[in-house]
Amino acid sequence: QVQLQQSGAELVKPGSSVKISCKASGYTFTSYDMHWIKQQPGNGLEWIGWIYPGNGNTKYNQKFNGKATLTADKSSSTAYMQLSSLTSEDSAVYFCARLVHGRGGSGYFDYWGQGVMVTVSS
Amino acid sequence: EIVLTQSPTTMAASPGEKVTLTCRASSSVSYMHWYQQRSGTSPKLWIYETSKLASGVPNRFSGSGSGTSYSLTINSMETEDAATYYCQQGSSYPPTFGAGTKLELK
Repeated sequence: QVQLQQSGAELVKPGSSVKISCKASGYTFTSYDMHWIKQQPGNGLEWIGWIYPGNGNTKYNQKFNGKATLTADKSSSTAYMQLSSLTSEDSAVYFCARLVHGRGGSGYFDYWGQGVMVTVSS
Repeated sequence: EIVLTQSPTTMAASPGEKVTLTCRASSSVSYMHWYQQRSGTSPKLWIYETSKLASGVPNRFSGSGSGTSYSLTINSMETEDAATYYCQQGSSYPPTFGAGTKLELK
């Protein structure tokens, strides 16, 4: 069965960086886009970007350009997101999610990781 | 980017009551997808391509709509349906989500 297992919660200082992981299993890792989505406490869902592990291609929401860097390791079927220059606005839960390209090119997220809570505090 | 507006923001329904949640897009989209999120857990795909139920979703749920107006309907509210529901469009980049409708049990 498809599983996306994310790394544990992080408490980090303002101005620092953090790298969180998403280990995929149960499917061919290199055949699906992996997306990252942010959810601030009590708020909705915000798309950060995606990586295609097959060739390493990435695309980012303009808002997260320079903030998020997506990478993937095919040998371990793991996707990573590094967040830099952290501020309190980056405190949130971050999800990885697998995208399915549906009919008419309308993509949707069929499997999600359990989420990683990142807390930025001095 | 396409903005999705969900209504109502919050609502409460009694067991057995029919519930309709709506999602309006700022521009026409080809399909709408819906997710259920319970507190402290990750969103689950609930309805995809407007009207198809994801695996394990009870058939009291249905989805409909086209263009800029979409809806999720629960034929008869049950306790386990209390959650937040998000709509999402994937027709145009970036993918966007609505702000969610929190559905509570009355």
